[in-house]
Amino acid sequence: EAQVTQNPRYLITVTGKKLTVTCSQNMNHEYMSWYRQDPGLGLRQIYYSMNVEVTDKGDVPEGYKVSRKEKRNFPLILESPSPNQTSLYFCASRLTGSQFDEQFFGPGTRLTVL
Amino acid sequence: GEDVEQSLFLSVREGDSSVINCTYTDSSSTYLYWYKQEPGAGLQLLTYIFSNMDMKQDQRLTVLLNKKDKHLSLRIADTQTGDSAIYFCAESRGHYGGATNKLIFGTGTLLAVQP
Repeated sequence: EAQVTQNPRYLITVTGKKLTVTCSQNMNHEYMSWYRQDPGLGLRQIYYSMNVEVTDKGDVPEGYKVSRKEKRNFPLILESPSPNQTSLYFCASRLTGSQFDEQFFGPGTRLTVL
Repeated sequence: GEDVEQSLFLSVREGDSSVINCTYTDSSSTYLYWYKQEPGAGLQLLTYIFSNMDMKQDQRLTVLLNKKDKHLSLRIADTQTGDSAIYFCAESRGHYGGATNKLIFGTGTLLAVQP
């Protein structure tokens, strides 16, 4: 089944404790991105990647890192999480960066930073 | 500004029509989208419209686009309880001379369908 998977689905952590949220897609998509969803703000893009070893900042990159060593994986790293990073995170992928390609979303990771 | 705006909440009765509205900002957006987010799930693409169209119909869904006013709407006919979800509109904005684009999402509208 074609899908985007994320792990973990739920995470509660404390300020300053490094964490990684994994994202994987099995559709051979080149373009992957991370969003955070906050009430009243919709989805905002954190980082995106056009292909392996090509990443760039989205609209709200502060406090996050990403890597793209393989085409299928695009982990989101919080080196020192803070409470304002408490949010619902979505990974997404599409075939290329073109607007003609449909974007597929993962099921989301709900992160709470105490 | 950058914002894509939607009303936060809409309540309808089962069987009625629902109309969810959205205003966007970038007149050069070539595609506009509607996504549906069911509880505990990611977003799924419902439908989209190309900017040279005024209307698109797909079964119970009708999308209307008013480019002059930068207004997009989604009409759901014969709304069912299974349509209860958050609906996001999104516009595409180009990067790097069109080689890629990113989606700018609205704030989302929670549709509650009363039986």
